[in-house]
Amino acid sequence: NAGVMQNPRHLVRRRGQEARLRCSPMKGHSHVYWYRQLPEEGLKFMVYLQKENIIDESGMPKERFSAEFPKEGPSILRIQQVVRGDSAAYFCASSPPGSRSYGYTFGSGTRLTVV
Amino acid sequence: SQKIEQNSEALNIQEGKTATLTCNYTNYSPAYLQWYRQDPGRGPVFLLLIRENEKEKRKERLKVTFDTTLKQSLFHITASQPADSATYLCALILTGGGNKLTFGTGTQLKVEL
Repeated sequence: NAGVMQNPRHLVRRRGQEARLRCSPMKGHSHVYWYRQLPEEGLKFMVYLQKENIIDESGMPKERFSAEFPKEGPSILRIQQVVRGDSAAYFCASSPPGSRSYGYTFGSGTRLTVV
Repeated sequence: SQKIEQNSEALNIQEGKTATLTCNYTNYSPAYLQWYRQDPGRGPVFLLLIRENEKEKRKERLKVTFDTTLKQSLFHITASQPADSATYLCALILTGGGNKLTFGTGTQLKVEL
C-alpha cells in the first residue's frame, strides 16, 4: 500500500505560468482533500472531492484555482497564472467512505515556488 | 471569531518526561478532534481521534483528553524520546461541517537528551 502519492515534490513556475499538482489517493479511498500551508502558517482547507464530484470548495480562491477528481486517474489541483503569493506547500489527503470518525492519510506534499 | 489556538512557542522538554500540548478552540462545535504529527518537509501523520462524547483516549505512550465545556484538548506524550521531536497539530471536524479538517497552527516539540 503506497499511501497517498503526490507529484511533483517540488515545482518551480514563473509568474503567469500554470501549475498542475497531482494526487493519487490510497487504494480504496474515494475522498480527496487539498490543503495549503503557507510559510509559518497552519494548514488551510481548500477543496474536498469525491470521484467526479466537488463536494466542498469553500476554501478555494475564487479565481485561478480549480480542482478535479476524474473517474480514472489522479486528482488534479490546477493554478492558472501563478503569482508569488501562491508559493506554498500543497498537501493532499484521502479517506475512505464514511470516514468522519477516522484519521486522514496525507501525502508528502508539493512545494510550489513562484519566481 | 472562530479560532483554534495551540501553544505558539516551542516546547522543550527533557527525555523521559511527559510532554503536554494544549489545543483551545472558540466558537466551534466539533464532532471530532484529531491530533497529527508533522515533521519538516513532510505531510501530517494521524495520531489519535477523540469524539465529542469521549473524555479520554489512549494509544501506547499517547493520551488525549477532550473537555467540551472548557473547549480544550490536551495531548500527552509520556516517557518522551528525542524521536518525538516534531510539530503537533490539532484539527477539528465540525458538527454539520462535512468531512473537512480545520487545523490549529501547531506546537513544535523538542525533546532533549
